[in-house]
Amino acid sequence: DGGITQSPKYLFRKEGQNVTLSCEQNLNHDAMYWYRQDPGQGLRLIYYSQIVNDFQKGDIAEGYSVSREKKESFPLTVTSAQKNPTAFYLCASSQPDRADTQYFGPGTRLTVL
Amino acid sequence: SQQGEEDPQALSIQEGENATMNCSYKTSINNLQWYRQNSGRGLVHLILIRSNEREKHSGRLRVTLDTSKKSSSLLITASRAADTASYFCATANTGRRALTFGSGTRLQVQP
Repeated sequence: DGGITQSPKYLFRKEGQNVTLSCEQNLNHDAMYWYRQDPGQGLRLIYYSQIVNDFQKGDIAEGYSVSREKKESFPLTVTSAQKNPTAFYLCASSQPDRADTQYFGPGTRLTVL
Repeated sequence: SQQGEEDPQALSIQEGENATMNCSYKTSINNLQWYRQNSGRGLVHLILIRSNEREKHSGRLRVTLDTSKKSSSLLITASRAADTASYFCATANTGRRALTFGSGTRLQVQP
């Protein structure tokens, strides 16, 4: 069963805590992406990675960090430096140089209490 | 930064009617595509149109692209209640290896 999985589906965090969102894909895609979506808004790019051990900042990278140690995995850490982390987070993957066709995971809804 | 802006922000129609959504963008693009998102879920790719194409069809979907006006439209014909969702345009730009999304149109199809 191929696809992208994100866990957990819902996540609650206290202010000042770091939290890590998981994203795993078995599509054999080299490229992976993290987006943030606020209510009634479109998606904004946080980080993306074209290949293992390499990643680039997107439009709103401040307060976030990522790693890409394995092709299948691209975890996102929301740090305490992120001032307004409550949002819906979406992970996606694609073939390299095919950012125009991305496959999305089901998302993680993060709420800061 | 948000590249695209969808219009209208929200649209409510009756089953069987056609739904038209518009998207404008700011920079030169390689292609433009439309995604659908059911409430609280991930995005599903609907259709892609390349910068050298003017119109494309897929089932009940029709997409047009006018690069001179930097705009695109998505037409859903004979809408169904199951079409209720948010629809986003996204552009792939030269030199940026990631998509840029618009703010979306929320479509409600009344049965």
